[in-house]
Amino acid sequence: QVHLVQSGAEVKKPGSSVRVSCKSSGDSFQKYGISWVRQGPGQRLTWMGAIIPFFRTTRYAQNFQGRVTFTADESTSTVYMDLASLTSDDTAVYYCARDLLAQTYVTGWSHWGQGTLVAVSS
Amino acid sequence: QSVLTQPPSASGTPGQRVTISCSGSSSNIGINAVTWYQQVPGTAPKLLIYGSKQRPSGVPDRFSGSKSGTSASLAISGLQSEDEAFYFCAAWDNSLKGNWAIGGGTFLTVL
Repeated sequence: QVHLVQSGAEVKKPGSSVRVSCKSSGDSFQKYGISWVRQGPGQRLTWMGAIIPFFRTTRYAQNFQGRVTFTADESTSTVYMDLASLTSDDTAVYYCARDLLAQTYVTGWSHWGQGTLVAVSS
Repeated sequence: QSVLTQPPSASGTPGQRVTISCSGSSSNIGINAVTWYQQVPGTAPKLLIYGSKQRPSGVPDRFSGSKSGTSASLAISGLQSEDEAFYFCAAWDNSLKGNWAIGGGTFLTVL
């Protein structure tokens, strides 16, 4: 059984950075793509990008390129999302989600973390 | 960011059949499979349909997906009160070096 457990809520100042973690339990952590998807106040879901730890592959959505970084710690089966230069528009719930099939990030998300609220306010 | 178009709301009575539409383009739904997610407010989304019409184990067969051209649909038959939730469609988009296109979500009310 696969479970994704994310770190707790964060309150940040504009201009700062945030790190959200996503720890996986279950099988074959390294070989599955982990996407980051955020959900703003209007419920819209936005894909930020993905990482496949085993292949050290990352793909960033154009809207977040240069501001977001995904890393993985295989020893703890944990993926990290770092988002810099925060503004109030980044206030959202951030989800990590594992792809349905291994070695890809284009088949859809079969397992989700519980979500992490990031609030950006001065 | 690529987006798919969904109606903001839908409704039905218990036992009824409802459908939710999802409109895309030739770079996403037109050439790639569609996934559907159910999200009860305050919880994470849950995969309902993948490969446009496949159900993961554990998803009731009351839920079905279809695709035609650049549009897709989710049908829910035998509507139940616990089906009240947001429903999102998504498809990989081959434009702009690749990206996920996601619908704005449809809130289904069970009257």
